[in-house]
Amino acid sequence: SQQGEEDPQALSIQEGENATMNCSYKTSINNLQWYRQNSGRGLVHLILIRSNEREKHSGRLRVTLDTSKKSSSLLITASRAADTASYFCATSGTYKYIFGTGTRLKVLA
Amino acid sequence: DAGVIQSPRHEVTEMGQEVTLRCKPISGHNSLFWYRQTMMRGLELLIYFNNNVPIDDSGMPEDRFSAKMPNASFSTLKIQPSEPRDSAVYFCASSFRGTPYEQYFGPGTRLTVT
Repeated sequence: SQQGEEDPQALSIQEGENATMNCSYKTSINNLQWYRQNSGRGLVHLILIRSNEREKHSGRLRVTLDTSKKSSSLLITASRAADTASYFCATSGTYKYIFGTGTRLKVLA
Repeated sequence: DAGVIQSPRHEVTEMGQEVTLRCKPISGHNSLFWYRQTMMRGLELLIYFNNNVPIDDSGMPEDRFSAKMPNASFSTLKIQPSEPRDSAVYFCASSFRGTPYEQYFGPGTRLTVT
């Protein structure tokens, strides 16, 4: 069964706006990662947040983690057309990752 | 660094045929993962190798699927015999120290079984 469930499934915004996507999971985790997948390509790692961290930044990305609610959010600020992609969260308990269903983000120029 | 290399990029085959997918992980990485991605089931982990040894193959759908890693620089995923429901994109990923570290994905092999 899939661990992570992203919300929303699809998101369409204008260039320059912020995009927020959420991930919920079911069991305890050691860490959570976010990946991006451009159409027809493999996944690319964006950011990792450990279970004892609450917030992390990387460039225009901001990730939060609430282990009490078993949820995480990914915020992309000042979005660009190049951010158009699917975004996946991946949770890790022991030695393997379980990927969520993904959020399809479309940034309109 | 060339990244994770997968071949072929596209494979079209008829039901019942044997299919072999290949992967070359990033040099120095000691963990390798095979995933399958479909619209219906999303991204599923099929098998995980650490130091060339299969650690977890619980995601392999059935006996028709097999995977090998004869050395640190090469892995294969074989489907024999193939069925239409095996149609998917198969990804190979590698990482330096397994989980919980970031994985580097290959471009994938799009398999179509007719």
